[in-house]
Amino acid sequence: NAGVMQNPRHLVRRRGQEARLRCSPMKGHSHVYWYRQLPEEGLKFMVYLQKENIIDESGMPKERFSAEFPKEGPSILRIQQVVRGDSAAYFCASSPGRGAGANVLTFGAGSRLTVL
Amino acid sequence: AQSVTQLGSHVSVSEGALVLLRCNYSSSVPPYLFWYVQYPNQGLQLLLKYTSAATLVKGINGFEAEFKKSETSFHLTKPSAHMSDAAEYFCAVFQNSGNTPLVFGKGTRLSVIA
Repeated sequence: NAGVMQNPRHLVRRRGQEARLRCSPMKGHSHVYWYRQLPEEGLKFMVYLQKENIIDESGMPKERFSAEFPKEGPSILRIQQVVRGDSAAYFCASSPGRGAGANVLTFGAGSRLTVL
Repeated sequence: AQSVTQLGSHVSVSEGALVLLRCNYSSSVPPYLFWYVQYPNQGLQLLLKYTSAATLVKGINGFEAEFKKSETSFHLTKPSAHMSDAAEYFCAVFQNSGNTPLVFGKGTRLSVIA
């Protein structure tokens, strides 16, 4: 039973390029969360999605960032026109959304974005 | 809105000594509380969780935490530190109402000295 799978693990982009980060939740999990971790800081919530729905995007920057979780396929966090300040580790987590483990998040290993 | 405060961004203990990592929470409703551990270049792994059952919660790797409502605290302890415990530890709170996400503290880096 594979855990939360994130790819790529490392991504290097030049300023102005686009970054796409993918996340496949654990089998049976229908809820996906994206967090960003900057050096010396904790994890900052970005967005919470269910299949085909954005539930809470209160942590997403208003511009350049978007997320989706289509009916088929992984969740994708997309950053357009990247800037150096976007360099960070991006973590995806999933949960079943209901039942005893509804609020227990399982995390992926993260995608580390470096913007040159 | 819920939040957590972790006192001390860096804690250093000797191998075999008591580990105490502090976490205080703020929540308008009874919270669910979690401790996660992050090893270098890895994701977060759940250590333990409090979900309104027993106030003393036992987790993996010999860690435990006690929920104290009167002190709004959920400190993490381990009687005897091991070198392999060196990692970053995050306290997190989940408000058991609505669709609010898990909110993390800034983390405490634990160093274990031989």
